[in-house]
Amino acid sequence: QKEVEQNSGPLSVPEGAIASLNCTYSDRVSQSFFWYRQYSGKSPELIMSIYSNGDKEDGRFTAQLNKASQYVSLLIRDSQPSDSATYLCAVNGAGNNRKLIWGLGTSLAVNP
Amino acid sequence: GAVVSQHPSWVICKSGTSVKIECRSLDFQATTMFWYRQFPKQSLMLMATSNEGSKATYEQGVEKDKFLINHASLTLSTLTVTSAHPEDSSFYICSAYGPGTTTNEKLFFGSGTQLSVL
Repeated sequence: QKEVEQNSGPLSVPEGAIASLNCTYSDRVSQSFFWYRQYSGKSPELIMSIYSNGDKEDGRFTAQLNKASQYVSLLIRDSQPSDSATYLCAVNGAGNNRKLIWGLGTSLAVNP
Repeated sequence: GAVVSQHPSWVICKSGTSVKIECRSLDFQATTMFWYRQFPKQSLMLMATSNEGSKATYEQGVEKDKFLINHASLTLSTLTVTSAHPEDSSFYICSAYGPGTTTNEKLFFGSGTQLSVL
């Protein structure tokens, strides 16, 4: 079982719709969860971080965390063509092991 | 946010040659830098953790004699791919914690280096 799993997609949504990206993780002691956006040929950039169960909102982005289900998601409201990218889920554990474990990423295409 | 500068952005080299990639933290000191490799349609894979003034810590399966890491100053880490082969063609990315922190929320990435070995 992969440590961090994401549906590779592509996920295709029309402009203005809500895009929902999902991620599951296997390490129950994971404490920190991150969503990165990566455009083709570019390095990742941090979109959202979440540490506690529930929702965290930042502009058009909402991260949702459910530690009991080992599930973290990212919602993008009012999707724009510029949101078309690969979204990487990253998780790290507690204690001294703070290395990020990365998912394969979900490719999102927002169609005008 | 903090800026991590990485050069070159892309490089094409012949098989058997060595390639050096530089990663600089601009306007802040980075005692720790991370080197990642990413193959097409694959996730980021941590290769090694570079520590200023000491030997790098390599991840399992990464050949330390092939991927030489030097972190001689608080603002510069270099990755040298020695005797490069076509299978080393990949996207190499460095990252560093922002100034005054070691939390992953403040992890900044360089722009990446696309290496193509002919």
